[in-house]
Amino acid sequence: DGGITQSPKYLFRKEGQNVTLSCEQNLNHDAMYWYRQDPGQGLRLIYYSQIVNDFQKGDIAEGYSVSREKKESFPLTVTSAQKNPTAFYLCASSRTGANEKLFFGSGTQLSVL
Amino acid sequence: EDQVTQSPEALRLQEGESSSLNCSYTVSGLRGLFWYRQDPGKGPEFLFTLYSAGEEKEKERLKATLTKKESFLHITAPKPEDSATYLCARGIREKLTFGTGTRLTIIP
Repeated sequence: DGGITQSPKYLFRKEGQNVTLSCEQNLNHDAMYWYRQDPGQGLRLIYYSQIVNDFQKGDIAEGYSVSREKKESFPLTVTSAQKNPTAFYLCASSRTGANEKLFFGSGTQLSVL
Repeated sequence: EDQVTQSPEALRLQEGESSSLNCSYTVSGLRGLFWYRQDPGKGPEFLFTLYSAGEEKEKERLKATLTKKESFLHITAPKPEDSATYLCARGIREKLTFGTGTRLTIIP
């Protein structure tokens, strides 16, 4: 079945540590996105990519980094500069990125130890 | 500033009791209004896209409508399995801006 796979489901970060969240899609979509979801807040866009080897900052990119070396993969690194990383992280993709519907993964819950 | 506002924040209904959820937004640059359903601990699932005022779409007990400044998600004779958080989002250029959602609970 086609879809988006996020891993791990749960992740714990120690102080000063960088952690990487995985996102893989087999839908042959060009565009991929990372959102952060906090209780009582809407989904906030961290980074997005509309083509391989290119990506743009979203609304809350500080303390995060991404890469898009392959069409299928869009990993997100939460760096030690992100002082409040505890949240539910969602990866999504769309066919072209031009305001089309998003397909979401099942999310990664990141917590700080 | 781009803004999407959903109301109410939470809604409890008896099974079979119909109601509506509201999503209002700033109009400039609107390129689509999207509705999603999200179950606890899972990613949102796409429901509808609306592009122009007057447009309506239906799926089972759900119907989404769009005016110039707001969208409604009408739920008719809901069942307990309709309990979820319903998110709306508006498109502008290549991004979607999401509202905070309405948490819907259907009581058997």
